[in-house]
Amino acid sequence: QKEVEQDPGPLSVPEGAIVSLNCTYSNSAFQYFMWYRQYSRKGPELLMYTYSSGNKEDGRFTAQVDKSSKYISLFIRDSQPSDSATYLCAMHMFSGGYNKLIFGAGTRLAVHP
Amino acid sequence: EAQVTQNPRYLITVTGKKLTVTCSQNMNHEYMSWYRQDPGLGLRQIYYSMNVEVTDKGDVPEGYKVSRKEKRNFPLILESPSPNQTSLYFCASSSQRTGGTGELFFGEGSRLTVL
Repeated sequence: QKEVEQDPGPLSVPEGAIVSLNCTYSNSAFQYFMWYRQYSRKGPELLMYTYSSGNKEDGRFTAQVDKSSKYISLFIRDSQPSDSATYLCAMHMFSGGYNKLIFGAGTRLAVHP
Repeated sequence: EAQVTQNPRYLITVTGKKLTVTCSQNMNHEYMSWYRQDPGLGLRQIYYSMNVEVTDKGDVPEGYKVSRKEKRNFPLILESPSPNQTSLYFCASSSQRTGGTGELFFGEGSRLTVL
C-alpha cells in the first residue's frame, strides 16, 4: 500500500463548477499537509499549506485536513480554465531528525469553458 | 527574480554515457533536493542536501550521484545512465533545513531520455 493515495483522474469539469480533490494517507505521523499545482511543462508550485485538522481558505481555494480519517481535500470554487493543471498533495513529518516528505501521484484537472 | 534553474531542459542520450544535470538557485536556500517524476508514481526523492557538503539519499538514489560544493549549486550526476532512468527530473530548494515544512521551490524540469 502506498503511503499516500491520490486519484489520478483526469477530472473534467465545466467552468464555474466546484472541484473536490482528495488524498488519503496511511502514516499517522504526518504533520504538515500541502497542495502543489503543476501546469504542463512546468515545475510544481505551492498552493496551500496546512498543519492542523480543519479548514484553511485562500480565495477560491479551501484545504481541508481530517487527521482522524487520514484524509485531505482541496476544494476549488468557481473553477476557471486557468485552474487546469495537475494537483499534487504532499505530506511531511519530522521526528527525531528523521525528515520525510511524500507526494501523491497527482490528479489532472481540466476546466472547460 | 527568485528561481531554480535546471539545465539541460531536454536531453536524449545513450546507455552508459555519463551526464550531469545542473541545478542552481538564487535564493540563498540551505536545502536542495532532486526528484524524479514518473506517470502513476508521482514525485520521488532521489537525493537531498541540507547544507554545503551535506548530502543524503532519498527514496530512489540508485544510479545517481550528487555533490554540494557551493550553496547555490546541486548537480545530479548519472555515471552510467540506463533506460529505466528515463524520466522527468526536478530540482527543488527550500529555506527550511527540513525542506518539507517550508515551501519547496521547483525548477522547470529536465526531461531525460536514455536509449
